[in-house]
Amino acid sequence: EAQVTQNPRYLITVTGKKLTVTCSQNMNHEYMSWYRQDPGLGLRQIYYSMNVEVTDKGDVPEGYKVSRKEKRNFPLILESPSPNQTSLYFCASSLLGFSNTEAFFGQGTRLTVV
Amino acid sequence: QKEVEQNSGPLSVPEGAIASLNCTYSDRGSQSFFWYRQYSGKSPELIMFIYSNGDKEDGRFTAQLNKASQYVSLLIRDSQPSDSATYLCAVSGNTGKLIFGQGTTLQVKP
Repeated sequence: EAQVTQNPRYLITVTGKKLTVTCSQNMNHEYMSWYRQDPGLGLRQIYYSMNVEVTDKGDVPEGYKVSRKEKRNFPLILESPSPNQTSLYFCASSLLGFSNTEAFFGQGTRLTVV
Repeated sequence: QKEVEQNSGPLSVPEGAIASLNCTYSDRGSQSFFWYRQYSGKSPELIMFIYSNGDKEDGRFTAQLNKASQYVSLLIRDSQPSDSATYLCAVSGNTGKLIFGQGTTLQVKP
Protein backbone atom coordinates (compact mmCIF):
# COMPACT_ATOMS: atom_id res chain seq x y z
CA GLU A 1 0.00 0.00 0.00
CA ALA A 2 1.30 3.44 -0.99
CA GLN A 3 1.74 5.49 2.13
CA VAL A 4 3.63 8.01 4.20
CA THR A 5 4.41 6.73 7.67
CA GLN A 6 5.22 8.94 10.63
CA ASN A 7 6.35 7.90 14.08
CA PRO A 8 5.47 8.43 16.81
CA ARG A 9 1.80 9.40 16.52
CA TYR A 10 1.77 11.03 19.94
CA LEU A 11 4.65 12.43 21.95
CA ILE A 12 4.85 14.32 25.21
CA THR A 13 8.27 15.63 26.10
CA VAL A 14 9.96 18.20 28.31
CA THR A 15 11.55 21.45 27.27
CA GLY A 16 15.07 21.01 25.95
CA LYS A 17 15.04 17.26 25.42
CA LYS A 18 16.08 16.47 21.86
CA LEU A 19 13.63 14.46 19.82
CA THR A 20 13.23 13.07 16.32
CA VAL A 21 10.04 12.40 14.42
CA THR A 22 10.55 9.92 11.63
CA CYS A 23 8.89 9.99 8.22
CA SER A 24 9.11 7.37 5.51
CA GLN A 25 7.39 7.05 2.12
CA ASN A 26 7.24 4.03 -0.18
CA MET A 27 6.14 5.80 -3.37
CA ASN A 28 9.59 6.77 -4.65
CA HIS A 29 8.60 10.43 -4.47
CA GLU A 30 11.23 13.08 -5.06
CA TYR A 31 9.67 15.75 -2.87
CA MET A 32 9.07 15.57 0.86
CA SER A 33 8.01 18.22 3.33
CA TRP A 34 7.16 18.85 6.95
CA TYR A 35 4.20 20.96 8.04
CA ARG A 36 2.84 22.02 11.37
CA GLN A 37 -0.85 22.65 11.90
CA ASP A 38 -2.11 25.02 14.57
CA PRO A 39 -5.69 26.21 15.21
CA GLY A 40 -6.55 29.23 13.08
CA LEU A 41 -3.22 29.14 11.24
CA GLY A 42 -3.66 26.22 8.88
CA LEU A 43 -0.75 24.16 7.61
CA ARG A 44 2.58 25.94 7.59
CA GLN A 45 5.64 24.52 5.92
CA ILE A 46 8.68 23.93 8.10
CA TYR A 47 11.21 22.41 5.69
CA TYR A 48 11.08 20.65 2.38
CA SER A 49 13.36 18.50 0.26
CA MET A 50 13.51 18.19 -3.51
CA ASN A 51 15.81 15.18 -3.52
CA VAL A 52 18.44 13.33 -1.52
CA GLU A 53 20.78 15.77 0.24
CA VAL A 54 18.75 18.76 -1.03
CA THR A 55 16.69 20.58 1.59
CA ASP A 56 15.40 24.11 2.04
CA LYS A 57 13.62 26.18 4.63
CA GLY A 58 9.91 26.66 4.56
CA ASP A 59 7.96 29.41 6.30
CA VAL A 60 8.60 28.44 9.93
CA PRO A 61 12.00 26.66 10.12
CA GLU A 62 13.27 28.11 13.42
CA GLY A 63 13.97 25.45 16.01
CA TYR A 64 13.87 22.54 13.55
CA LYS A 65 16.36 20.52 11.55
CA VAL A 66 15.92 17.97 8.81
CA SER A 67 18.04 15.60 6.79
CA ARG A 68 17.49 13.63 3.59
CA LYS A 69 20.12 10.92 3.38
CA GLU A 70 17.85 8.45 1.63
CA LYS A 71 15.02 9.11 -0.78
CA ARG A 72 12.39 7.45 1.35
CA ASN A 73 13.20 9.01 4.73
CA PHE A 74 12.90 12.59 5.93
CA PRO A 75 13.22 12.89 9.72
CA LEU A 76 12.34 16.06 11.62
CA ILE A 77 14.66 16.93 14.49
CA LEU A 78 13.95 19.26 17.39
CA GLU A 79 17.30 19.85 19.06
CA SER A 80 15.88 21.76 22.04
CA PRO A 81 12.09 21.69 21.99
CA SER A 82 10.14 24.55 23.53
CA PRO A 83 6.45 24.82 24.47
CA ASN A 84 5.71 26.95 21.37
CA GLN A 85 6.54 23.89 19.29
CA THR A 86 3.53 22.08 20.70
CA SER A 87 1.57 21.32 17.57
CA LEU A 88 0.27 18.72 15.13
CA TYR A 89 2.96 17.79 12.62
CA PHE A 90 2.47 16.29 9.18
CA CYS A 91 5.00 14.83 6.83
CA ALA A 92 4.06 14.85 3.15
CA SER A 93 5.50 13.58 -0.11
CA SER A 94 4.84 14.44 -3.72
CA LEU A 95 6.03 12.98 -7.00
CA LEU A 96 6.86 16.16 -8.94
CA GLY A 97 6.55 18.94 -6.39
CA PHE A 98 3.84 20.21 -4.10
CA SER A 99 2.85 23.02 -6.42
CA ASN A 100 2.17 20.66 -9.32
CA THR A 101 1.03 17.32 -8.03
CA GLU A 102 -0.88 15.77 -5.18
CA ALA A 103 0.64 15.81 -1.72
CA PHE A 104 0.30 12.59 0.27
CA PHE A 105 0.27 13.14 4.01
CA GLY A 106 1.31 10.95 6.88
CA GLN A 107 -1.04 10.24 9.78
CA GLY A 108 0.29 13.13 11.84
CA THR A 109 2.29 13.43 15.05
CA ARG A 110 0.77 15.30 17.96
CA LEU A 111 3.62 16.79 19.96
CA THR A 112 3.26 18.35 23.38
CA VAL A 113 6.23 20.10 24.96
CA VAL A 114 5.87 20.87 28.68
CA GLN B 1 -3.37 40.22 4.65
CA LYS B 2 -3.03 36.47 4.66
CA GLU B 3 -1.82 34.90 1.45
CA VAL B 4 -4.71 32.45 1.32
CA GLU B 5 -7.91 33.25 3.20
CA GLN B 6 -10.85 31.10 4.07
CA ASN B 7 -13.78 31.65 6.38
CA SER B 8 -13.14 29.24 9.25
CA GLY B 9 -16.87 28.58 9.70
CA PRO B 10 -18.46 26.40 10.71
CA LEU B 11 -20.58 26.31 7.60
CA SER B 12 -23.72 24.35 8.34
CA VAL B 13 -25.94 22.95 5.57
CA PRO B 14 -28.78 20.44 5.59
CA GLU B 15 -28.31 17.05 4.02
CA GLY B 16 -28.95 17.16 0.28
CA ALA B 17 -28.15 20.87 -0.06
CA ILE B 18 -25.30 22.49 -1.96
CA ALA B 19 -22.35 23.51 0.18
CA SER B 20 -20.29 26.41 -1.14
CA LEU B 21 -16.77 26.91 0.18
CA ASN B 22 -14.76 29.95 -0.79
CA CYS B 23 -11.11 30.91 -0.81
CA THR B 24 -9.30 34.09 -1.82
CA TYR B 25 -5.60 34.51 -2.48
CA SER B 26 -3.28 37.47 -2.71
CA ASP B 27 -0.61 36.40 -5.23
CA ARG B 28 -1.79 37.27 -8.76
CA GLY B 29 0.87 34.97 -10.17
CA SER B 30 -0.66 31.89 -8.56
CA GLN B 31 -1.03 29.04 -10.99
CA SER B 32 -2.22 25.92 -9.20
CA PHE B 33 -5.14 25.57 -6.83
CA PHE B 34 -6.00 22.61 -4.67
CA TRP B 35 -8.80 21.56 -2.31
CA TYR B 36 -7.91 19.12 0.45
CA ARG B 37 -10.38 17.53 2.86
CA GLN B 38 -9.41 16.79 6.44
CA TYR B 39 -11.57 14.74 8.75
CA SER B 40 -11.20 15.40 12.44
CA GLY B 41 -8.04 13.76 13.73
CA LYS B 42 -6.97 12.65 10.26
CA SER B 43 -4.54 13.84 7.65
CA PRO B 44 -5.51 15.98 4.63
CA GLU B 45 -6.39 14.25 1.39
CA LEU B 46 -6.72 15.77 -2.06
CA ILE B 47 -10.22 16.25 -3.44
CA MET B 48 -9.60 18.37 -6.51
CA PHE B 49 -7.13 20.60 -8.25
CA ILE B 50 -7.71 23.27 -10.89
CA TYR B 51 -5.33 25.27 -13.03
CA SER B 52 -7.53 27.14 -15.52
CA ASN B 53 -10.28 29.71 -15.14
CA GLY B 54 -13.75 28.25 -15.08
CA ASP B 55 -15.31 25.14 -13.59
CA LYS B 56 -14.00 21.65 -13.11
CA GLU B 57 -16.40 18.92 -12.09
CA ASP B 58 -15.71 15.58 -10.45
CA GLY B 59 -18.76 13.71 -9.26
CA ARG B 60 -20.55 15.78 -6.64
CA PHE B 61 -17.66 18.24 -6.44
CA THR B 62 -17.10 21.30 -8.62
CA ALA B 63 -14.11 23.58 -8.32
CA GLN B 64 -14.45 27.10 -9.69
CA LEU B 65 -11.55 29.42 -10.41
CA ASN B 66 -11.66 33.13 -11.17
CA LYS B 67 -8.13 34.47 -11.51
CA ALA B 68 -9.25 38.03 -12.23
CA SER B 69 -11.05 38.19 -8.90
CA GLN B 70 -8.48 35.95 -7.19
CA TYR B 71 -10.86 33.45 -5.73
CA VAL B 72 -11.40 29.75 -5.95
CA SER B 73 -14.44 27.92 -4.65
CA LEU B 74 -15.59 24.38 -4.06
CA LEU B 75 -19.20 23.36 -4.48
CA ILE B 76 -20.46 20.12 -3.00
CA ARG B 77 -23.80 19.03 -4.41
CA ASP B 78 -26.18 16.72 -2.55
CA SER B 79 -24.18 17.18 0.64
CA GLN B 80 -23.98 14.13 2.89
CA PRO B 81 -23.18 13.87 6.60
CA SER B 82 -19.99 12.07 5.53
CA ASP B 83 -18.89 15.33 3.87
CA SER B 84 -18.59 16.93 7.32
CA ALA B 85 -14.92 17.86 7.57
CA THR B 86 -12.52 20.75 7.29
CA TYR B 87 -11.76 21.82 3.74
CA LEU B 88 -8.35 23.31 3.07
CA CYS B 89 -7.67 25.54 0.12
CA ALA B 90 -4.06 25.48 -1.10
CA VAL B 91 -2.50 27.78 -3.67
CA SER B 92 0.82 27.63 -5.45
CA GLY B 93 2.34 30.99 -6.22
CA ASN B 94 5.36 32.28 -8.07
CA THR B 95 7.71 30.74 -5.53
CA GLY B 96 6.42 27.26 -6.33
CA LYS B 97 5.54 26.72 -2.69
CA LEU B 98 2.13 25.51 -1.64
CA ILE B 99 0.35 27.90 0.72
CA PHE B 100 -2.61 26.65 2.73
CA GLY B 101 -5.55 28.58 4.04
CA GLN B 102 -6.70 27.98 7.59
CA GLY B 103 -9.57 25.78 6.44
CA THR B 104 -13.36 25.92 6.54
CA THR B 105 -15.25 23.51 8.75
CA LEU B 106 -18.34 22.09 7.06
CA GLN B 107 -21.16 20.49 9.02
CA VAL B 108 -23.84 18.62 7.10
CA LYS B 109 -26.86 18.00 9.27
CA PRO B 110 -29.13 14.99 8.62
